[in-house]
Amino acid sequence: DGGITQSPKYLFRKEGQNVTLSCEQNLNHDAMYWYRQDPGQGLRLIYYSQIVNDFQKGDIAEGYSVSREKKESFPLTVTSAQKNPTAFYLCASSLRPDAGTQYFGPGTRLLVL
Amino acid sequence: QKEVEQDPGPLSVPEGAIVSLNCTYSNSAFQYFMWYRQYSRKGPELLMYTYSSGNKEDGRFTAQVDKSSKYISLFIRDSQPSDSATYLCAMSDIGATNKLIFGTGTLLAVQP
Repeated sequence: DGGITQSPKYLFRKEGQNVTLSCEQNLNHDAMYWYRQDPGQGLRLIYYSQIVNDFQKGDIAEGYSVSREKKESFPLTVTSAQKNPTAFYLCASSLRPDAGTQYFGPGTRLLVL
Repeated sequence: QKEVEQDPGPLSVPEGAIVSLNCTYSNSAFQYFMWYRQYSRKGPELLMYTYSSGNKEDGRFTAQVDKSSKYISLFIRDSQPSDSATYLCAMSDIGATNKLIFGTGTLLAVQP
């Protein structure tokens, strides 16, 4: 089965803690993306990567970091600098950086203890 | 003003009704238009993808793009309770970054 997997489904963060969200795809897509979804605000782009070992900030990158060491993997770290991390995090991929369509994973819900 | 505007709803219709979902946008450079369906606590699922103006039909779903009015629509015929979800429009002018701009989503409830 080809697709995008995200883990964990739910994640709890304590104050001052960094947490990492996993995103893996076996679609052989070049580009990968991280979005944050909050009620009433739609999806906002955090980071994106067009190719291995390269990534760019999106609209709300502050307090987040990413890496792209392998084509199929694009983990997102929510750092302690992110003061309002509670949200639904969605990973997506597209065949090429200029391809119109993006395909989404099932999401990770991050909650703060 | 947001680049993409979408009525959040909720929109409640009886089973079998024709549903019309809409988005307006301000950026005339947008060329690619998408509709995603998102069930509660799930990731968005791509429903329809349209390039430039015109109509596209897929089963009970029809997507329309009117670039002159900066207006896109998704029609659902013979709506079913399983269509109950949030519908997100998204659009892009492509180029090197493929940055999608999303509407906030419309919550649809189809009553049996």
